[in-house]
Amino acid sequence: DARVTQTPRHKVTEMGQEVTMRCQPILGHNTVFWYRQTMMQGLELLAYFRNRAPLDDSGMPKDRFSAEMPDATLATLKIQPSEPRDSAVYFCASGLVPPATSSYAGELFFGEGSRLTVL
Amino acid sequence: GNSVTQMEGPVTLSEEAFLTINCTYTATGYPSLFWYVQYPGEGLQLLLKATKADDKGSNKGFEATYRKETTSFHLEKGSVQVSDSAVYFCALSNSGTYKYIFGTGTRLKVLA
Repeated sequence: DARVTQTPRHKVTEMGQEVTMRCQPILGHNTVFWYRQTMMQGLELLAYFRNRAPLDDSGMPKDRFSAEMPDATLATLKIQPSEPRDSAVYFCASGLVPPATSSYAGELFFGEGSRLTVL
Repeated sequence: GNSVTQMEGPVTLSEEAFLTINCTYTATGYPSLFWYVQYPGEGLQLLLKATKADDKGSNKGFEATYRKETTSFHLEKGSVQVSDSAVYFCALSNSGTYKYIFGTGTRLKVLA
């Protein structure tokens, strides 16, 4: 079964430390999303990439967060320095999104998430 | 901009009860509409989808109909089971923006 793989599944760190979360999208998918889930805010879109190019990262705090896709098999989300308010579950999702001329937006496949706790 | 509004939870039902979770949307153009489900400790997974007006998506006994006139995509199931306990997310996407917008989620708890 093809699936999105995220590492680490759980991370506990101290305030000020750097955190890197990794995602391996499903092979052949052309779009990758990063979401953050908290009880208060629900599911927030942080950034997304199409064909490895960043399309929108307006949901991401620019001063401390960065997202990259160094190659088609790896997406990373980095927080430096981390703060307690960054504690959340971070989800990566990938999909095969058709051209803008298509009327159908394909489904997303989510990883199991990385649960981050910043003390 | 595009947005999704779904009913607040939690929703608590007895087994075999009828389920409705309301979802309305605001979007330009003709979005695709989705329901995703999240079981405890897992990521979201697609439950059903509809890509144009009057389409009905269905899966595992769940149904939702794309209503353009009321901009709604309500989720229904005739007889819920304890195993349906999860968080349900309504979502939309316009193919032109490649952006998926999710509602806040509705937690469903089914009691035996």
